[in-house]
Amino acid sequence: TQLLEQSPQFLSIQEGENLTVYCNSSSVFSSLQWYRQEPGEGPVLLVTVVTGGEVKKLKRLTFQFGDARKDSSLHITAAQPGDTGLYLCATANAGGTSYGKLTFGQGTILTVHP
Amino acid sequence: NAGVTQTPKFQVLKTGQSMTLQCAQDMNHNSMYWYRQDPGMGLRLIYYSASEGTTDKGEVPNGYNVSRLNKREFSLRLESAAPSQTSVYFCASSGGLANEQFFGPGTRLTVL
Repeated sequence: TQLLEQSPQFLSIQEGENLTVYCNSSSVFSSLQWYRQEPGEGPVLLVTVVTGGEVKKLKRLTFQFGDARKDSSLHITAAQPGDTGLYLCATANAGGTSYGKLTFGQGTILTVHP
Repeated sequence: NAGVTQTPKFQVLKTGQSMTLQCAQDMNHNSMYWYRQDPGMGLRLIYYSASEGTTDKGEVPNGYNVSRLNKREFSLRLESAAPSQTSVYFCASSGGLANEQFFGPGTRLTVL
């Protein structure tokens, strides 16, 4: 089982600030997904990164996949209260037939204060 | 197009009671999953079903059973609920090469 470590576990910032959350593993990822979960809802996929060094942008969110495919980061520029939620990284089990099974990190709880 | 639906949304049980959590998806996905979510633990896979008629254990299967009734429906059963099963339960489905999972809104279960 591939273990994912997310940091920080909690992040509380003011509206307009920038932030970065991290997802790390000692193993190589086949691919890496980022989900956001709002209170009382299920997680929703934000992005999938596949290629080492890949950078994807989604409005104010920038996702980066490490060159060695062992780590990923999510950077939010000018955070807004609507960004509040739990951010989860996830990866498909490496090797073999995984049937799409994902392993999730423990998540980063982000609170953006007005 | 409702995506993934779950019932009930909330449930309170006494220790030893049984119940079934229902999940249905209308996206024609082959794979379906049940997770539990506890504070600081992220999402942990209980059981999954790669296709209709097949099920397999995930990371934390003890105390649970599942049924893949047809391609649309995947139920999770607690035969004898325990306080340790107090959690939020999510059902998900996937069907694409990218392994994107679509989640339901969750069932919040409390076992007293």
